[in-house]
Amino acid sequence: DSGVTQTPKHLITATGQRVTLRCSPRSGDLSVYWYQQSLDQGLQFLIQYYNGEERAKGNILERFSAQQFPDLHSELNLSSLELGDSALYFCASSAMTGGSTGELFFGEGSRLTVL
Amino acid sequence: GENVEQHPSTLSVQEGDSAVIKCTYSDSASNYFPWYKQELGKRPQLIIDIRSNVGEKKDQRIAVTLNKTAKHFSLHITETQPEDSAVYFCAASRYGGSQGNLIFGKGTKLSVKP
Repeated sequence: DSGVTQTPKHLITATGQRVTLRCSPRSGDLSVYWYQQSLDQGLQFLIQYYNGEERAKGNILERFSAQQFPDLHSELNLSSLELGDSALYFCASSAMTGGSTGELFFGEGSRLTVL
Repeated sequence: GENVEQHPSTLSVQEGDSAVIKCTYSDSASNYFPWYKQELGKRPQLIIDIRSNVGEKKDQRIAVTLNKTAKHFSLHITETQPEDSAVYFCAASRYGGSQGNLIFGKGTKLSVKP
């Protein structure tokens, strides 16, 4: 158990819908990362938050948004869903201060299926 | 931004043989290079990492080498065992900055045949 909690574990929805994925980092970790994993694209970096602030942005679509709350949990919102958004979404946290890179502790992931 | 290329995409070896996975990166400012192992249906987990101030690091049967000039780094697994079968990801980022955008390669599926 990495200490990173993600909900829901599985989610099935229809095209055009909106979903919210939730992540609770390890106790004390201030950095939260979101990654998308699909079969042929490996682990795609979406976005990083550090202590409530956005620190780095990757190939995150405009239909996607995220935030980190004062209690440090994070949510990833996916809207106007398309078939191609079906993937495993990982959240990870890091103990590194200042938002720098260190060992990432991944959650178990949220598997999104868009029908 | 950073781009990480990883080869091969699949690798099959006999138990006891060595396995080598290679990665190249594009951002000369990257100085942190971790390797993650992802077993089937599980989350990625860090197995070894290296910073650019060293050229090689070993941990039992696993070693990583780094060539900063050529901007490539490699994972070496010796005396492979069936439990080494997994997908391995290399990654690169700038350590010590204020951003942690760790960029991953596309992964190598390693199969170790008993």
